[in-house]
Amino acid sequence: DIVMTQSPDSLAVSLGERATINCKSSQSVLYRSNNKSYLAWYQQKQGQPPKLLIHWASTRESGVPDRFSGSGSGTDFTLTISSLQAEDVAVYYCQQYYRVWTFGQGTKVEIK
Amino acid sequence: QVQLVESGGGVVQPGRSLRLSCAASGFTFSSYAMHWVRQAPGKGLEWVAFISYDGSNKVYADSVKGRFTISRDDSKNTLDLQMNSLRAEDTAVYYCARSSVRFGVQTEWDYWGQGTLVTVSS
Repeated sequence: DIVMTQSPDSLAVSLGERATINCKSSQSVLYRSNNKSYLAWYQQKQGQPPKLLIHWASTRESGVPDRFSGSGSGTDFTLTISSLQAEDVAVYYCQQYYRVWTFGQGTKVEIK
Repeated sequence: QVQLVESGGGVVQPGRSLRLSCAASGFTFSSYAMHWVRQAPGKGLEWVAFISYDGSNKVYADSVKGRFTISRDDSKNTLDLQMNSLRAEDTAVYYCARSSVRFGVQTEWDYWGQGTLVTVSS
């Protein structure tokens, strides 16, 4: 299985400041044939199901604020919230869909 | 609009069985692969099972292989999960989720239900 490891496990960021979450896969999730990394990011707020934010590592879903951005390729990925808002308090998960489907352990984002 | 509504959760004794259902609406159910995912209390997400859009391909996590069976009824727009030989570690909220691409397999998931809680306890 491909193991996904996120860092940090939690972080506290001041309103308006940048939040950065890292995700590392135990093997590459990049398909050479289409040059796409099979990596998604989800946001889960308390008591709610997860919400898809980003797929193909950097493609933002329709309706997702542009303060959310994804980057990376191969085995190393980053989710950045450029200016943290109160409504961004949540747990964020990365997911690989290259081989079966596995998630990172989650990163809890709070307001400092 | 796309809706996924799970049902069938509850409290069950170890070793017993339970069947979960997911009612889908707002899209052409027969064109999309579907998944079951679970989340133990206070824990992260764990993929459980996959079924292709036509039901011909089913894949299971090692933790449930041989005990759980995923199925679909396209005439009723429902996705099921038959859970046998339940264990305490199967206690979780179970979500159904839709693959984001019609007829797709290796995709992210764009819609999730609200989940149904399964508690395995004597």
